[in-house]
Amino acid sequence: DAGVTQSPTHLIKTRGQQVTLRCSPISGHKSVSWYQQVLGQGPQFIFQYYEKEERGRGNFPDRFSARQFPNYSSELNVNALLLGDSALYLCASSPGQSNQPQHFGDGTRLSIL
Amino acid sequence: DQQVKQNSPSLSVQEGRISILNCDYTNSMFDYFLWYKKYPAEGPTFLISISSIKDKNEDGRFTVFLNKSAKHLSLHIVPSQPGDSAVYFCAASGSGGSNYKLTFGKGTLLTVNP
Repeated sequence: DAGVTQSPTHLIKTRGQQVTLRCSPISGHKSVSWYQQVLGQGPQFIFQYYEKEERGRGNFPDRFSARQFPNYSSELNVNALLLGDSALYLCASSPGQSNQPQHFGDGTRLSIL
Repeated sequence: DQQVKQNSPSLSVQEGRISILNCDYTNSMFDYFLWYKKYPAEGPTFLISISSIKDKNEDGRFTVFLNKSAKHLSLHIVPSQPGDSAVYFCAASGSGGSNYKLTFGKGTLLTVNP
């Protein structure tokens, strides 16, 4: 079975631009979460969606937004990119029930010039 | 304020010996804890988890111990193998189980020498 897939794998943008990252969850998983990992740190929670509704939001500015589609795939949008947005963006999916671990994709490496 | 702390940035062990990775947390509302392993250029891979109602969970070579009074957990790998060399992240979640947001530590780089 396919795992969590993310696209693109790498992306280079300049300051002020906008970016959209995509995630397809494991088949049957209804919950998708987004995390940002900067060098030397652990992943930091950005959003969680379940059944197309936002379930949780981390401490990120309004430049960050996301949505989940009827097929449970998800997009993360970041506007007005800053140099500090350079990071690995990870998507994780889970079935949606309690105590089922989140499974991660390989991430999108975003570089801001 | 870091709520999940992995105070050892790196650990080196010999093949066949035990690896012990440690993690401390400060938020008493955390009730579910997980360990993930991460190789370069890959996403984190789930290893093992433990609920706050337990103090030990075992899966093959991996055992996680939880000491709630000390707000401390550890991952034991026995015997360690060279393929275990990776960054290990401790993560915690609050009410709602592992489906709720995960709070991660900074990770510990484990190197297992042949």
